[in-house]
Order: sequence, then structure tokens, then C-alpha cells
Amino acid sequence: NAGVTQTPKFRVLKTGQSMTLLCAQDMNHEYMYWYRQDPGMGLRLIHYSVGEGTTAKGEVPDGYNVSRLKKQNFLLGLESAAPSQTSVYFCASRRTPGTRIGYTFGSGTRLTVV
Amino acid sequence: DQQVKQNSPSLSVQEGRISILNCDYTNSMFDYFLWYKKYPAEGPTFLISISSIKDKNEDGRFTVFLNKSAKHLSLHIVPSQPGDSAVYFCAALYSGNTPLVFGKGTRLSVIA
Repeated sequence: NAGVTQTPKFRVLKTGQSMTLLCAQDMNHEYMYWYRQDPGMGLRLIHYSVGEGTTAKGEVPDGYNVSRLKKQNFLLGLESAAPSQTSVYFCASRRTPGTRIGYTFGSGTRLTVV
Repeated sequence: DQQVKQNSPSLSVQEGRISILNCDYTNSMFDYFLWYKKYPAEGPTFLISISSIKDKNEDGRFTVFLNKSAKHLSLHIVPSQPGDSAVYFCAALYSGNTPLVFGKGTRLSVIA
């Protein structure tokens, strides 16, 4: 049981390049989230999804797009990377409403934009 | 506007002593609070939680206290162990569907 898997684990991008971060979960969870962690800023929500085909904006959505075409996958896209997007990105998932705990996090993707 | 605040970026404690990590919140709608622990190069892992209808929850060495009138919660670790050295995030939510809101985290160092 892999839980939440993020790929890639590390990436260096040049300013203006695009990339997609993939999050996959095998727990049949309905809800999925993308957070970014920056020094002194904690975990900030970028986008989230409450089910297949749905997405919603979080606290810091600008510069990112997401898609949830399949229940098990949640993709985070950067269309034109900027140095301000240098961060560690965490994906998380949880079960249906009524279960208030049970966020499972991936191990993170460390992205550097130069 | 930060809704969940952890005002101590770091804390250093001797092994065997008590560690107390604090968290304040501003949103009165929050009704469930959680603590997550994070080691370097790993994702956060759930540690302990408390509902707003309680004022204390214990799990082994970990106890969370909630003071609703002060909008304050704290995590007590007794006794502290070197393996407890990590970043601890306080998080909160209201209703079952809203995403977790995290504090900035407190780095705990337990010195042997």
C-alpha cells in the first residue's frame, strides 16, 4: 500500500519553463490537496479537489493550474515557472466528509526555479 | 491574515523534560484542531487531534489542551525524546469539508 506518491521528487526549472507535478493515491480517497511549504511560512494551500472532475482555489493559487481527471490522480501545473515558485510541494488526500482526520501526505517535491 | 498562529519558530528541550508547543487561532468557526509532525525530507504525519467539545486529549506521551475562550491550544510531550526532534504544525478546520489551515510550524530540538 503506497499511500500518496509524488513525482518527481526533485526538479530544477529555468524561469519560464513549464512542468507538471503528479500526485497519485491508492486509498480511494475523495479529497486531494496541493500545499507548498516555504521557510517561515508553514504549509499554504494552493488548490484542492473534493472529487473527480472538481477543483477549487486555495490560499495561493496564482501561477498554478490543477486537474483531477481520475479519482486517484491530482496534477499540479506550472505554465511559466517563476523564481517565487521555488518551494517544496506536498500533496495530501483524505477520505470522505465526516472523517476529520486522516490527511495522508506524500513525501514532497522540491522544486527550484532559476 | 493568519488564522492559525505558532509564534515560536523554535524550541529546545532536554531529553526527559516536558516540551510545550503553543498555537493560537483567530477564527471562532474552527471546531477541530490537529497537530502534525514533520521530519526533514518527509511529508507531515498526523500526531493527535482534539474536537472543540473537549478540552483535553491524550495519546501516550502526547497531550493536547484546548482553551476555547482564549482561542489557544497546546501540545505537551512528556517525557521528550531525541526522536521527537521535528517540526510540529498546528492545524485547524471547521465543518467536515473545509481544507486544513496550518500554522507556520515550530521546530523542536530535544537534546540528549
